[in-house]
Amino acid sequence: QVQLVQSGAEVKKPGASVKVSCKASGYSFSNYHLHWVRQAPGQGLEWVGTINPSGGITSSAQKFQGRVTMTRDTSTSTVYMDLSSLRSEDTAVYYCARRAFVQGVMIPFDYWGQGTLVTVSS
Amino acid sequence: QTVVTQEPSFSVSPGGTVTLTCGLSSGSVSGSHYPSWYQQTPGQAPRTLIYSTNSRSYGVPDRFSGSILGNKAALTITGAQADDECDYYCVLYMGSGIWVFGGGTKLTVL
Repeated sequence: QVQLVQSGAEVKKPGASVKVSCKASGYSFSNYHLHWVRQAPGQGLEWVGTINPSGGITSSAQKFQGRVTMTRDTSTSTVYMDLSSLRSEDTAVYYCARRAFVQGVMIPFDYWGQGTLVTVSS
Repeated sequence: QTVVTQEPSFSVSPGGTVTLTCGLSSGSVSGSHYPSWYQQTPGQAPRTLIYSTNSRSYGVPDRFSGSILGNKAALTITGAQADDECDYYCVLYMGSGIWVFGGGTKLTVL
């Protein structure tokens, strides 16, 4: 079965960087894009960016450009999101989510990871 | 920057029908935005309800349906149940690999 398993919670100081991982299993890793979505405490969902594991091509929301780096390791079926220059507003649960196609129809976010809490605090 | 709009909150009586909407601050929602809907209970990851405007995800009861109503995407819940009380999010594709979530609707069943 499809599983996306994320790394554990992180506590970082302002100005630092954090790297969150998402290990995929149960499907062909290279054939499905993976998104990163975050949710600040008590707030809504916010799309951060997407990586194509096949070629490593990424796209990200304008507000994160220059601060977010998404990479993948095809040997371990794992994608990574690195967010730099952290500030308190980056405190959030970060989710990875898979994009799929079913009979030619796109399911933008079909399976989700369990989420990783990143806390930014001095 | 385009904003995706949702009602912040909505209330429905048990057994009733409610329609939540997903619009754009500028322009109309169409199928080319691949509107999809997600249900989220506190402390849990979102669950996919509807994708590509009106396709139900696996295991989602047919009480949930999606459509385009006027210039917005819509999620209709018929026969509302107590455990439908949670947050609902839509997301739209803006092109060039960019996705934008709506602010979410908190649904109360009472």
